[in-house]
Amino acid sequence: DTGVSQNPRHKITKRGQNVTFRCDPISEHNRLYWYRQTLGQGPEFLTYFQNEAQLEKSRLLSDRFSAERPKGSFSTLEIQRTEQGDSAMYLCASRPIQGASTDTQYFGPGTRLTVL
Amino acid sequence: AQTVTQSQPEMSVQEAETVTLSCTYDTSENNYYLFWYKQPPSRQMILVIRQEAYKQQNATENRFSVNFQKAAKSFSLKISDSQLGDTAMYFCASGELYGNKLVFGAGTILRVKS
Repeated sequence: DTGVSQNPRHKITKRGQNVTFRCDPISEHNRLYWYRQTLGQGPEFLTYFQNEAQLEKSRLLSDRFSAERPKGSFSTLEIQRTEQGDSAMYLCASRPIQGASTDTQYFGPGTRLTVL
Repeated sequence: AQTVTQSQPEMSVQEAETVTLSCTYDTSENNYYLFWYKQPPSRQMILVIRQEAYKQQNATENRFSVNFQKAAKSFSLKISDSQLGDTAMYFCASGELYGNKLVFGAGTILRVKS
């Protein structure tokens, strides 16, 4: 059983550019989460999908951020017109709806974004 | 809203000794879960241990155990027989039973010394 994968692992971009990250959850995990983690802090919730439906968005998710999960499998997170304050680790997690661990989120390795 | 507080930014422990990491939380929910996650340097976050709030018995996983005090809203992690591989950032987190997100503390850096 492969874990949550994220690509790319590292992204360096110039301020004002658009970036897109991808998350592939554990197969058959129908719940998918995005979090942002800044240096020395705990992850902060950004948004949540159940299958293809985006059911919750944090106020942290400004208009420049958009997330999709078109077929209920992988998800993408796009940041438009990046700002230096967007520099952070972006974490994806997935969670099963059935089985013994339905309360547990499993995290990917993250995408580290640096905005110059 | 849920909040999680970890008051120890850094801890050190000698190999083979025991260390306890503190966590307090606040929630208005009756049913919720509590978690400890471990994030080694430059590696992904993995679950260490979980506790259902409606269970009085403290969870244990091998060398890891928790002291869950529901009335005090306290959830500490005890690591016995510390190993060098335990060196990591440890995050305490809470999640509502039917909620959609985890709320994390700021983390505690644990260094195990040989």
